[in-house]
Amino acid sequence: GNSVTQMEGPVTLSEEAFLTINCTYTATGYPSLFWYVQYPGEGLQLLLKATKADDKGSNKGFEATYRKETTSFHLEKGSVQVSDSAVYFCALSETGGSYIPTFGRGTSLIVHP
Amino acid sequence: SAVISQKPSRDICQRGTSLTIQCQVDSQVTMMFWYRQQPGQSLTLIATANQGSEATYESGFVIDKFPISRPNLTFSTLTVSNMSPEDSSIYLCSAYIGGNTIYFGEGSWLTVV
Repeated sequence: GNSVTQMEGPVTLSEEAFLTINCTYTATGYPSLFWYVQYPGEGLQLLLKATKADDKGSNKGFEATYRKETTSFHLEKGSVQVSDSAVYFCALSETGGSYIPTFGRGTSLIVHP
Repeated sequence: SAVISQKPSRDICQRGTSLTIQCQVDSQVTMMFWYRQQPGQSLTLIATANQGSEATYESGFVIDKFPISRPNLTFSTLTVSNMSPEDSSIYLCSAYIGGNTIYFGEGSWLTVV
């Protein structure tokens, strides 16, 4: 079956630091990959996605590249802000399947001024 | 993307009572989904609600406890019946809009006392 593994949190950084949140996946087919973000007290928002190998998703300064050879989709940002403090969820869904995503456990990011 | 609205956004409920959560999408969608997110946890799929058919429940969730309606292509409700403190969670509505991607509402934060 499909699965998504994220790095344990919380990740604690100072403002302007470089961020990496690791995500690896197992899938039987050719999935699409996603990062969702949940800000405190809110629902999930789609942050970025990539639908095929070597695609790079980007939004709000965040980037992630679909790496089929390493089955990874790591989230990066060059300079984090306090407002980036949130829980980040990596997810996959099978192309042409039920579209129901498989989620990772989420990684909490705390950014200090 | 689409706008997915849920209400209530928050509620405090007495144990033994039931609460119905409403979810409205601003476009017609075939597939809608209901998730539960317990405190500090990832998302767990409760059921898939397609218009014109009975909801399909995931393992561990039953219709008597979580009845779902899907009367048209833009609306769904989830009822949490006979609530106990263990039902205190965020309940998230989501919908498949296209592009192999699902989008989420803001969530309904339930506390059962």
